[in-house]
Amino acid sequence: DTAVSQTPKYLVTQMGNDKSIKCEQNLGHDTMYWYKQDSKKFLKIMFSYNNKELIINETVPNRFSPKSPDKAHLNLHINSLELGDSAVYFCASSPFEDTQYFGPGTRLTVL
Amino acid sequence: AQSVTQLDSQVPVFEEAPVELRCNYSSSVSVYLFWYVQYPNQGLQLLLKYLSGSTLVKGINGFEAEFNKSQTSFHLRKPSVHISDTAEYFCAVRMDNQAGTALIFGKGTTLSVSS
Repeated sequence: DTAVSQTPKYLVTQMGNDKSIKCEQNLGHDTMYWYKQDSKKFLKIMFSYNNKELIINETVPNRFSPKSPDKAHLNLHINSLELGDSAVYFCASSPFEDTQYFGPGTRLTVL
Repeated sequence: AQSVTQLDSQVPVFEEAPVELRCNYSSSVSVYLFWYVQYPNQGLQLLLKYLSGSTLVKGINGFEAEFNKSQTSFHLRKPSVHISDTAEYFCAVRMDNQAGTALIFGKGTTLSVSS
């Protein structure tokens, strides 16, 4: 049973395209997150949702739009992809104010 | 503002040797600290965490860390490493304000264990 799952695992696309990454957690957690890991392995928070409500938006370009249809899902939609968007994107979830559990990551490559 | 500094970007050691991965933090509020491990092409796995209480925290795979408030440090240690401990290690502090509780990560330390 995968606690936090992401699809797809790999995503290769052309500049200018629109793509989505899906995340689901079966842990019953209230809070979900998106992190970006760049080519130097630096991890940075992008968004945080608590009970489907946006809590954190860390100055991410508005081409990135998270959507939370319910507590168990947090999807990331990216418009007009740019070369600099190439990275590994991690979804995570936690009970509020407790340990975060991470998904396996989605490696996005923009050509 | 909260921040985390991992003092070593790479740590090479031989199998069965002890290891210490250093982490310093900066925070003006209550401190909640974490160590995560990332094996190649995988997600992050929690090794251990400090939320309150005993300053010596024991985690999985034989790792432990000590919270030192006066030195603002949270160094990770293992008395005897294995080849399988080769991975990227991240220290993190929990962002703790009314806006949310995301993690602020250090830049990571690559632990390379050789025989």
